[in-house]
Amino acid sequence: DAGVIQSPRHEVTEMGQEVTLRCKPISGHDYLFWYRQTMMRGLELLIYFNNNVPIDDSGMPEDRFSAKMPNASFSTLKIQPSEPRDSAVYFCASSSWTSLKFFGPGTRLTVL
Amino acid sequence: SQQGEEDPQALSIQEGENATMNCSYKTSINNLQWYRQNSGRGLVHLILIRSNEREKHSGRLRVTLDTSKKSSSLLITASRAADTASYFCATDAQGNTPLVFGKGTRLSVIA
Repeated sequence: DAGVIQSPRHEVTEMGQEVTLRCKPISGHDYLFWYRQTMMRGLELLIYFNNNVPIDDSGMPEDRFSAKMPNASFSTLKIQPSEPRDSAVYFCASSSWTSLKFFGPGTRLTVL
Repeated sequence: SQQGEEDPQALSIQEGENATMNCSYKTSINNLQWYRQNSGRGLVHLILIRSNEREKHSGRLRVTLDTSKKSSSLLITASRAADTASYFCATDAQGNTPLVFGKGTRLSVIA
């Protein structure tokens, strides 16, 4: 199994631009989580899905953030418009009923 | 907000020594997990201990859990330079609820 796949691995953009981060979970996993990591706040849960349905999006910082999971093998996290304070590493993780989470390599986002 | 708090925030030891990291949490848990993160990389799962377990071993890793004190410890024996990384504890309340992470312990193993 290839594990959780995230793309792009690095993204540099200018303030105000739209950013889309992508995640492919491990096949057969029915839970998908989006986390953000910064030095100041550590790892924060943004949103998670179960069977493609958003369960809890209370961690999404603002309306500028949105996440979708159109099918079991794909999810996106979109920031529109992006701001410098959104600079962070964004991780996607997936899990099955075991509750063991498998993390992707992350997307390092820099907003100038 | 973070559930777990790791202690110490940073730890520097010589190769071959043991490293002990502690984690405290606030609410009832279903299980507690430890992850490792190498600089600039993703998180790698190390070990999971359930709330009804007190101790678990995996290779050079030993994890203890004291639910009465809401604390856990991770012991890495005979440390190696390759163990240099940040270590995080994470908890979940039940089933497949999201993990809540602490801020981690940065371990440096000096060869």
